[in-house]
Amino acid sequence: AQSVTQLGSHVSVSEGALVLLRCNYSSSVPPYLFWYVQYPNQGLQLLLKYTTGATLVKGINGFEAEFKKSETSFHLTKPSAHMSDAAEYFCAVSHYGGSQGNLIFGKGTKLSVKP
Amino acid sequence: EPEVTQTPSHQVTQMGQEVILRCVPISNHLYFYWYRQILGQKVEFLVSFYNNEISEKSEIFDDQFSVERPDGSNFTLKIRSTKLEDSAMYFCASRAGLSNQPQHFGDGTRLSIL
Repeated sequence: AQSVTQLGSHVSVSEGALVLLRCNYSSSVPPYLFWYVQYPNQGLQLLLKYTTGATLVKGINGFEAEFKKSETSFHLTKPSAHMSDAAEYFCAVSHYGGSQGNLIFGKGTKLSVKP
Repeated sequence: EPEVTQTPSHQVTQMGQEVILRCVPISNHLYFYWYRQILGQKVEFLVSFYNNEISEKSEIFDDQFSVERPDGSNFTLKIRSTKLEDSAMYFCASRAGLSNQPQHFGDGTRLSIL
C-alpha cells in the first residue's frame, strides 16, 4: 500500500528565508509524486510533479522538489519565502498502473510566513 | 487556462436528505475523481471514473454514494441519505489521458449536514 508522510503539520519561516517542507513516501511501484498548494477557501493547485526523468523538478512560484529514491523523499524547497506563500501544502503519491491514478495525500503542512 | 468548475460552492442539507454535487471537468479530460476533506484532516480519495464506469473506489465510497456522468460535460456525486459525518469539502478532479499528466482540481463544494 502507498502512503505519504509529511513531517511537521505547521512550519513558520521569516520572509526571505529558505522554505523546506518534508515529504516521505512509501510505494511498492515507481511512484509519481506531486505537491499541491491550497490557499484558504480554494481548491488544490498543482505546484510541481515528478513522473520520470530528471529528479530535480521545478514548479510554479519558485518552488522545486527533488526525488530521492534512496531516501524515499520528495522534499519541497524555495530559496526565499514570500508572504504570498502562506498556505497549506500537500504532498501526494500516485501510480498509474491498475489504480487509474488516484492520489494518496499526506496530512498537509501549513506554511506561515512572518514579515 | 481551462479549469474544473464545481457547484454549488456551499451546500447546506438536513441529515437524511439526498444531495447532488456537480462538477464540470476540463473538456478533453478522460479520468474523473472525487475526493473529500473533512475539516482539519487530509484529502481522501473517494472514487475514480473512466470510460463511463467506476474504475476504483475507496472504503469511504459505500452504497450511499454514487457517481454519474449524465452528459458529455457534467460529473456528479450523489449522497443518498446524508449523515452528519458527511460534512466535508468535496473536490472534483480530472486528468487527461496520458499517464504522466496531473490531476486538476476544482475549488470544492463545502457540504454542511445539519
